[in-house]
Amino acid sequence: NAGVTQTPKFQVLKTGQSMTLQCAQDMNHNSMYWYRQDPGMGLRLIYYSASEGTTDKGEVPNGYNVSRLNKREFSLRLESAAPSQTSVYFCASSEGTSGYQPQHFGDGTRLSIL
Amino acid sequence: ILNVEQSPQSLHVQEGDSTNFTCSFPSSNFYALHWYRWETAKSPEALFVMTLNGDEKKKGRISATLNTKEGYSYLYIKGSQPEDSATYLCALGDTGRRALTFGSGTRLQVQP
Repeated sequence: NAGVTQTPKFQVLKTGQSMTLQCAQDMNHNSMYWYRQDPGMGLRLIYYSASEGTTDKGEVPNGYNVSRLNKREFSLRLESAAPSQTSVYFCASSEGTSGYQPQHFGDGTRLSIL
Repeated sequence: ILNVEQSPQSLHVQEGDSTNFTCSFPSSNFYALHWYRWETAKSPEALFVMTLNGDEKKKGRISATLNTKEGYSYLYIKGSQPEDSATYLCALGDTGRRALTFGSGTRLQVQP
């Protein structure tokens, strides 16, 4: 049972390059999330998708776009990477967004922007 | 932006010590309080979800309590072991938002 799978695990980009982080879950969850984790700041929500076909901004959406491709997959795109986007990115999923269901996390993508 | 605060930021204890940490949150619009355990180089794992004032949850040597009226939750670890070393995150679910707000975590190190 894979749970939440993120690819790639590591990536180095140059400023201005673009890339897409992939996330897939096999738990038939309705809701999916993208977070970034920076030292001393915990997990900050970038975007989330309450259900297939919907996406909403979180706390720090600037510089990112997302696509909920289907119920399983939720991708995060950096159109023009900036050094400030150097971070560890986590994807998560839950049954719903009621606040009651626990979130299940992927292993993270460590992204460095030079 | 909701303010979910955790204290202390970090904690060093000896094996066998019991310890506790705090999560403080705004009590208005409260819906649920989550605790996660996050080991280095792994992903966060859910420990507890609590919704009712006075809730107490227990999992082995780890337990948590919730006070929604005053806006805090305590996480307790009894007889800490080196394998308990991790960052413990709390997260608030409230009725006004459709996503959790995470605290910055308490990093626990248990020395053998």
